[in-house]
Amino acid sequence: EPEVTQTPSHQVTQMGQEVILRCVPISNHLYFYWYRQILGQKVEFLVSFYNNEISEKSEIFDDQFSVERPDGSNFTLKIRSTKLEDSAMYFCASIPGGQGMNTEAFFGQGTRLTVV
Amino acid sequence: AQSVTQLDSHVSVSEGTPVLLRCNYSSSYSPSLFWYVQHPNKGLQLLLKYTSAATLVKGINGFEAEFKKSETSFHLTKPSAHMSDAAEYFCVVSDRGSNYKLTFGKGTLLTVNP
Repeated sequence: EPEVTQTPSHQVTQMGQEVILRCVPISNHLYFYWYRQILGQKVEFLVSFYNNEISEKSEIFDDQFSVERPDGSNFTLKIRSTKLEDSAMYFCASIPGGQGMNTEAFFGQGTRLTVV
Repeated sequence: AQSVTQLDSHVSVSEGTPVLLRCNYSSSYSPSLFWYVQHPNKGLQLLLKYTSAATLVKGINGFEAEFKKSETSFHLTKPSAHMSDAAEYFCVVSDRGSNYKLTFGKGTLLTVNP
């Protein structure tokens, strides 16, 4: 069964460093998302990506964040200068879309980011 | 704008007794509704989904949910709880007005007592 894969599973970084979280969505999906979950809290929407551009972003997704789909398979989230409060589990998701608009989201297993 | 309210932050049941996790939603369009489960230190697993077909939806592990438009509810039920059901459960809504992004409820922690 196709699945969304995320790497690494756990990343520890020093405050102020740049991190790149990587995701490989399911190959024929059209919509891509990043969500985050701070420990013990609910899952929050960060950004959605469709047709090679950002379609929506939340207030959390400030200038320190960026997303790319550089090669048609990978979907990356970059945090330029990490802060302690960026520590969270980051989930990538993709939706098939297309005719009939299948809206079921498929999630990766997440990357736990720890900023020290 | 879409939103989800999970009415209980914590539900505790005994093994073998019924489970009810309550969820109300708000959406300006015909919504898709989902329940996801998250076991400790694990990812998000889809339990079931409603996407404008049958209003009573059956999912994995014996869970089901009923979409009630008049009550804007999508409560999750299971006739008999198992110890392995202990986890965090998230009710989720999406619609075309939000470009199909998912909006999560705050979650309900289900505890199953022996």
